[in-house]
Amino acid sequence: EVQLVESGGGLVQPGGSLRVSCAASGFTFSNYWMSWVRQAPGKGLEWVANIRDDGSENYYVDSVKGRFTISRDNAKNSLYLQMNSLRAEDTAVYYCVRFTRRLPDDYWGQGTLVTVSS
Amino acid sequence: DVVMTQSPLSLPVTLGQPASISCRTSQSLVHSDGYTYLNWFQQRPGQSPRRLIYKVSNRDSGVPDRFSGSGSGTDFTLKISRVEAEDVGIYYCMQGTRWPWTFGQGTKVEIK
Repeated sequence: EVQLVESGGGLVQPGGSLRVSCAASGFTFSNYWMSWVRQAPGKGLEWVANIRDDGSENYYVDSVKGRFTISRDNAKNSLYLQMNSLRAEDTAVYYCVRFTRRLPDDYWGQGTLVTVSS
Repeated sequence: DVVMTQSPLSLPVTLGQPASISCRTSQSLVHSDGYTYLNWFQQRPGQSPRRLIYKVSNRDSGVPDRFSGSGSGTDFTLKISRVEAEDVGIYYCMQGTRWPWTFGQGTKVEIK
């Protein structure tokens, strides 16, 4: 069974940093692109970042470019999102997602809440 | 960025009746590889989203056949043939053709 379990969310001050993690199991992690998607409280969904299966490519939405870094450790079956220079508008539930454009079945974690507030 | 415009944003439906959600995009979603990466997601209250439809009209595993997707170019539709109580939630269209991938605003489906 595919499982994605996020951790590391919490309260951080504006300008601060936080790293959220995702532990993957139930599939060959190194074969899949992975993503982070976020959802501000009571709002819609925003696709934040993608990383290639071997970590050699990544893509970011403009609003986080230069502040967030997506990375992975295939030996540990783990995905990360390092978030620096956090702003109030980064407050959201961050979901770890295994998503394939061409094939069936996507998988989402339960999400981890990041709150940026003084 | 590709702007995804859904309508309606709120959709009260009677159990057993059909429902339809429109998604219009600001640019063609035909990728250079020939595929159209238009997806539909469902988010039930208190749950993570899950995809229902990929590449316009393909159902994901376990998705009931009362859900169907159609469309082309910049105009897409999600239809529920007969709404059931478990279909309550917010539905999002999303394009995976051009980065950044973008979602529609969401359509809230509720039972009348």
